[in-house]
Amino acid sequence: AQSVSQHNHHVILSEAASLELGCNYSYGGTVNLFWYVQYPGQHLQLLLKYFSGDPLVKGIKGFEAEFIKSKFSFNLRKPSVQWSDTAEYFCAVSRKGTGNQFYFGTGTSLTVIP
Amino acid sequence: DVKVTQSSRYLVKRTGEKVFLECVQDMDHENMFWYRQDPGLGLRLIYFSYDVKMKEKGDIPEGYSVSREKKERFSLILESASTNQTSMYLCASSFSEGGLTEAFFGQGTRLTVV
Repeated sequence: AQSVSQHNHHVILSEAASLELGCNYSYGGTVNLFWYVQYPGQHLQLLLKYFSGDPLVKGIKGFEAEFIKSKFSFNLRKPSVQWSDTAEYFCAVSRKGTGNQFYFGTGTSLTVIP
Repeated sequence: DVKVTQSSRYLVKRTGEKVFLECVQDMDHENMFWYRQDPGLGLRLIYFSYDVKMKEKGDIPEGYSVSREKKERFSLILESASTNQTSMYLCASSFSEGGLTEAFFGQGTRLTVV
């Protein structure tokens, strides 16, 4: 089945640790890729997006993600996390030619310990 | 800034009631979406609409219907609420295919069916 997979369901890190959250998708063809973040009690916000061009994209708050087409992956990274990064992170894919539907992963809950 | 506004943050309804969840966006987006968010399951698409009066079923449409009479408004209807529909409901909107776009989300409605 076509899907978006996030490998880590719950990650706990200490402040200043490096973060990498995995995301793989199984859709063929041209895709747009997104990472969304949901801080406690807040709505989903776009962290970063990839449509084309440089496969390394930078987002807000020091986050970046790398699109590796051959691996169908779009992993999220941050060199040094802060307590304020505690949130739930969702990877999403939209496929060109499907009316712009968005397909989401199951999410990764990140807890950063001060 | 894009605004997607959901009419209620919290709702408590009784089993068997007809429930209306309303969503309004102010960016003239063609696409609108209803998702439900459950722990460990991520965001699952219930319905989406790509134009006024047009709708498509998502992954979990059973027990739900939608209405889009005006471009800016997309309503989710639970014809006869059941306890397994207790969840967080998220509305989103986006521009249609052909442009650089991402989904913008509302604050969510936490529905409890008792």
